[in-house]
Amino acid sequence: AAGVIQSPRHLIKEKRETATLKCYPIPRHDTVYWYQQGPGQDPQFLISFYEKMQSDKGSIPDRFSAQQFSDYHSELNMSSLELGDSALYFCASSLGDRAKTQYFGPGTRLLVL
Amino acid sequence: AQTVTQSQPEMSVQEAETVTLSCTYDTSESDYYLFWYKQPPSRQMILVIRQEAYKQQNATENRFSVNFQKAAKSFSLKISDSQLGDAAMYFCAYRTELPMEYGNKLVFGAGTILRVKS
Repeated sequence: AAGVIQSPRHLIKEKRETATLKCYPIPRHDTVYWYQQGPGQDPQFLISFYEKMQSDKGSIPDRFSAQQFSDYHSELNMSSLELGDSALYFCASSLGDRAKTQYFGPGTRLLVL
Repeated sequence: AQTVTQSQPEMSVQEAETVTLSCTYDTSESDYYLFWYKQPPSRQMILVIRQEAYKQQNATENRFSVNFQKAAKSFSLKISDSQLGDAAMYFCAYRTELPMEYGNKLVFGAGTILRVKS
């Protein structure tokens, strides 16, 4: 079965640079969620989209923005990167924003030097 | 705000034995979902089991079962016949049944590292 696709899988950036993470949900899934997992921590919710509209917002820094496109893929844009942004970024998808289960992608490992 | 607490940072189990991971949560809602996710060294998040709060029957998935105590707000995971491949970080997570009111995010506990000894 098709899974959530995230690209790139690994990314290395310098401080103050920008990064764009992409997420391709499971086919027919219309809801996308972004989570950030720092080293040794649990995943923290950033933001979600349902039918291309923001549906929920968590502790996402103002330097980050995200959107969902007409084909339901989503992009997380991160600007003015800081060392503390180094983390594993997960995208998850579901069919509907009331779906019981979110299916996670493999994550993008971002390292900021 | 909902919170999830996993009080066991680390647990160990002998291969083929049974282990129970603990999770408690705090919520004022009556309808919600609870999950256990497994995160192996690859760091992929894998759904292990799901429990709907309105169901009295405890969920089971092969060697994995839960003990859901709604009144006590407790949700433990029992792994029977432990295998080396079960070694991972296990996260307990909560999600509301009312996303329009409370959002649709998963709220995770801090996780429990499970080590399996051969």
